[in-house]
Amino acid sequence: ELKVEQNPLFLSMQEGKNYTIYCNYSTTSDRLYWYRQDPGKSLESLFVLLSNGAVKQEGRLMASLDTKARLSTLHITAAVHDLSATYFCAVDSQGGSEKLVFGKGMKLTVNP
Amino acid sequence: DAGVTQSPTHLIKTRGQHVTLRCSPISGHKSVSWYQQVLGQGPQFIFQYYEKEERGRGNFPDRFSARQFPNYSSELNVNALLLGDSALYLCASSLAVNYGYTFGSGTRLTVV
Repeated sequence: ELKVEQNPLFLSMQEGKNYTIYCNYSTTSDRLYWYRQDPGKSLESLFVLLSNGAVKQEGRLMASLDTKARLSTLHITAAVHDLSATYFCAVDSQGGSEKLVFGKGMKLTVNP
Repeated sequence: DAGVTQSPTHLIKTRGQHVTLRCSPISGHKSVSWYQQVLGQGPQFIFQYYEKEERGRGNFPDRFSARQFPNYSSELNVNALLLGDSALYLCASSLAVNYGYTFGSGTRLTVV
């Protein structure tokens, strides 16, 4: 059974700092997604990573995928308060159905 | 273009009642998936439909059922509601696997 683990689950950081968060998964997959969720809101797609070595950047966020290590990272550069949210990674189970297995999410708070 | 639309946005039901949640995918998207997100957790897969056929079912009891209509909209039905069914129910649509998933704003169900 596919399991997805994120760490850390909670992160409080100051504006201007950098940090990397991690997403590990337990079985082979080459499709990984990052989502952002604001309190009481739905999921906003951030990145779609579809192959080993994929790297995507949008603003202060950069995501990468290492399918051999079953690891994705989300790097935050020069954090700003607007990045405060919960970040989920999700892995496609690739079992014939388009089933996403989500991690528990990382709650990020960026302090001024 | 309209995104994924879900109705209703909020719902309060009593234990034992039945509920129907509705989802309209993005125009052209033939795949619809349903997820349950309990407060503080990542979304959990319930069902996936493609071209009106069930392609995947998560680990949910038979009280949960769904269907997809010829226009690709979908309904999620839950019978004999329990307090534990209180959650945010998210619908996601997809053009194809490699394009990722777009989530609707969700239906917040409260069972009292």
